[in-house]
Amino acid sequence: NAGVTQTPKFQVLKTGQSMTLQCAQDMNHNSMYWYRQDPGMGLRLIYYSASEGTTDKGEVPNGYNVSRLNKREFSLRLESAAPSQTSVYFCASRPTLYQETQYFGPGTRLLVL
Amino acid sequence: AQKITQTQPGMFVQEKEAVTLDCTYDTSDPSYGLFWYKQPSSGEMIFLIYQGSYDQQNATEGRYSLNFQKARKSANLVISASQLGDSAMYFCAMRGGANNLFFGTGTRLTVIP
Repeated sequence: NAGVTQTPKFQVLKTGQSMTLQCAQDMNHNSMYWYRQDPGMGLRLIYYSASEGTTDKGEVPNGYNVSRLNKREFSLRLESAAPSQTSVYFCASRPTLYQETQYFGPGTRLLVL
Repeated sequence: AQKITQTQPGMFVQEKEAVTLDCTYDTSDPSYGLFWYKQPSSGEMIFLIYQGSYDQQNATEGRYSLNFQKARKSANLVISASQLGDSAMYFCAMRGGANNLFFGTGTRLTVIP
């Protein structure tokens, strides 16, 4: 039981390149989330998926797209990376809307040059 | 709109002593949830404790307790008998809407031997 896994752990991109961050959970959770953490700040929500087949914007969605591929997997795509997207990205999952706790993956550190 | 405020950028505590990390919040929702997460230097986000707005008693989880004062809109984390492994960033968070978490800016706790 791995919990929430994220790949890659670390990535360097050049401005304008695209990439997809992968997230998977093996806890049969319904809801999944993508957050970013910038230095000296708390996490901010980018996108979330309340259940398989649905996605919604969070606080800072610009420059990102998401796909809820199935119940297990929720990917985050940067179509044209910008230096402002340099951050640590966390994926999280939550059992149901009625269970409060979110469980986080280990994070992906992204550097955009 | 929800807001979380953590006014202590850094705190020091002697090993085996207790420490209180402050958190105040603002929301117009009558139903809300408050969380504390720990982020060690390795970067992962570890769930510590949860308090629901309708819970009559303060939440406790081992050495962690949440001092919930609804009228003051505060949700302070108390760590008893501090250990060296408690040195980390601590984030207070609030459930927003039906899904996401709003985070404070965090408090860096250093436990002194």
